[in-house]
Amino acid sequence: DTAVSQTPKYLVTQMGNDKSIKCEQNLGHDTMYWYKQDSKKFLKIMFSYNNKELIINETVPNRFSPKSPDKAHLNLHINSLELGDSAVYFCASSQASNQPQHFGDGTRLSIL
Amino acid sequence: GENVEQHPSTLSVQEGDSAVIKCTYSDSASNYFPWYKQELGKRPQLIIDIRSNVGEKKDQRIAVTLNKTAKHFSLHITETQPEDSAVYFCAATTGSARQLTFGSGTQLTVLP
Repeated sequence: DTAVSQTPKYLVTQMGNDKSIKCEQNLGHDTMYWYKQDSKKFLKIMFSYNNKELIINETVPNRFSPKSPDKAHLNLHINSLELGDSAVYFCASSQASNQPQHFGDGTRLSIL
Repeated sequence: GENVEQHPSTLSVQEGDSAVIKCTYSDSASNYFPWYKQELGKRPQLIIDIRSNVGEKKDQRIAVTLNKTAKHFSLHITETQPEDSAVYFCAATTGSARQLTFGSGTQLTVLP
């Protein structure tokens, strides 16, 4: 069983569209994250979320919004997609902020 | 914001030689320092981590050292093998939310 699974694996869409990426973890972790990895491989935290608190990185545009229906899921919604949103998006989870994070396989988003 | 600097950005070694990757951090409250390995097209995977109350940790061919006073930590890989070739990321918990801030990555190539 995959510990952190995200779908879809690939997402190709046009500028201006709205899309969602789903993430689920079966590790029983309390905290989930979304990261963006750009073409230069920089890995940047976008959000961290547990059942009490959402932490938003100040550089993330408000077109991006995380939604968590329950502790095991953290989905990422993106409105009005732009060319610069093309990247690989990784979901991750951990028991706490200072515990090992487990990553999903990533979603490669390409904006045409 | 809080920074994590990583050097070198690329590193080539002969098989069997050692490889060392260094990181510095600026947040004096950082207390958790993981290292991740990312193979091409794959997800980042934790290979070793260290906490601020420990100066050194070893796991087979991999070791990490931490100097809290100087705010730097290093990854040491001995007896390198071709399958060690990957991008390696250091990270540190930073900021009031203790999120992980990643270094910019080191592309390690082990030449047979």
